[in-house]
Amino acid sequence: DVKVTQSSRYLVKRTGEKVFLECVQDMDHENMFWYRQDPGLGLRLIYFSYDVKMKEKGDIPEGYSVSREKKERFSLILESASTNQTSMYLCASSSQGEETQYFGPGTRLLVL
Amino acid sequence: RKEVEQDPGPFNVPEGATVAFNCTYSNSASQSFFWYRQDCRKEPKLLMSVYSSGNEDGRFTAQLNRASQYISLLIRDSKLSDSATYLCVVIMNNAGNNRKLIWGLGTSLGVNP
Repeated sequence: DVKVTQSSRYLVKRTGEKVFLECVQDMDHENMFWYRQDPGLGLRLIYFSYDVKMKEKGDIPEGYSVSREKKERFSLILESASTNQTSMYLCASSSQGEETQYFGPGTRLLVL
Repeated sequence: RKEVEQDPGPFNVPEGATVAFNCTYSNSASQSFFWYRQDCRKEPKLLMSVYSSGNEDGRFTAQLNRASQYISLLIRDSKLSDSATYLCVVIMNNAGNNRKLIWGLGTSLGVNP
């Protein structure tokens, strides 16, 4: 079974704090993705990565950065959290050539 | 027009009912199609792929209509456990021949006893 884990289920941070969201997958997948999901807006792609050290901007990268130092780990960084970054953050992975995405359980981030 | 559109619902049906959802897409060059299921406060999970010839998995049937640019999901004999949001996903080639996933906003289904 594919397992994608995220470091926290719930997180509360203050405006201006630096926030790290970690994602780990155990299936040796090449591709990893970070989404946020908001009511009425659906899933929106923030960043993705097709390989170690590689990163590509998604549809809404502003205010975020990512790091992929190891194949199994993809980190999302909020350099200076703002209240409009309060959201559900979902990490996903997929194998190269496969289109099915496997999601982690999500992190609900509240920025006060 | 949005790239992928779904009726948000909610669809509320009694147990045992048959219910169908559609998902329309705007880009005729779209290549692959999927249905995901997302339970309340959980992550999306793949329900089924949608093949050109249509496909069936137990009580679930997925169809693709390329001429009218929509995919459909039919659920027969609804169970309480089918209550969830159903997300459609359309994959297309964008500039540079990269594949891009477009997610619908989802259709909410409630199955009542």
